[in-house]
Amino acid sequence: DIQMTQSPSSLSASAGDRVTITCRASQSISTYLNWYQQKPGRAPKLLIYGASSLQSGVPSRFSGSGSGTDFTLTISSLQPEDFATYYCQHSYTTPRTFGQGTNLEIK
Amino acid sequence: QVQLQESGPGLVKPSETLSLTCTVSGGSISNSYWTWIRQPAGKGLEWIGRIHTSGSTNYNPSLQSRITMSIDTSKIQFSLRLSSVTAADTAVYYCARGYRMAAVGTTSYYYYGMDVWGQGTTVTVSS
Repeated sequence: DIQMTQSPSSLSASAGDRVTITCRASQSISTYLNWYQQKPGRAPKLLIYGASSLQSGVPSRFSGSGSGTDFTLTISSLQPEDFATYYCQHSYTTPRTFGQGTNLEIK
Repeated sequence: QVQLQESGPGLVKPSETLSLTCTVSGGSISNSYWTWIRQPAGKGLEWIGRIHTSGSTNYNPSLQSRITMSIDTSKIQFSLRLSSVTAADTAVYYCARGYRMAAVGTTSYYYYGMDVWGQGTTVTVSS
């Protein structure tokens, strides 16, 4: 199985900040990388697919980059509704493993 | 738009079989991968497996010996059965659609992402 490792596990930031979350795959996955946002008590929501393609309806302050084994999710200017947990997931093979999550908290 | 709804017992006894169904509404069940994911309380997401409209399946090797997935295109439903459950199987179970999407700005590259999710259903394994 491909292992996905996110860093940091938790992050405190303020509204308006620029934040970056990193995801590393245990082997090359090209650009087969998705990012999801999950709020407490809710199902995850797809933000980014193919490492950098923004899912329809997702604000442009979210962006993704990377290829191979190293990927980033960037939020350019945090909004109050962005405080949530973020997961990366590869779509290179099965099983489609997730990272352990990054909890983005209000400072 | 497509919506998903999980259904099934919220309480299952140890060693018994967990059975869940996901009903698709507002769209077709065709040409997609229909996926199950679970999340123990306070923990991360675990991909359980998926079934294609054609009936082909891919299961997480860690659960493969206990999983059966099926699809009923006439009822627009797909199902998960997980046998010999233990307390470690207690979790919120989500169904989701794995959909093929073109990379933004090109039709040369396609990727699968889980773009529609059910609200989740809590399953507790306890006697």
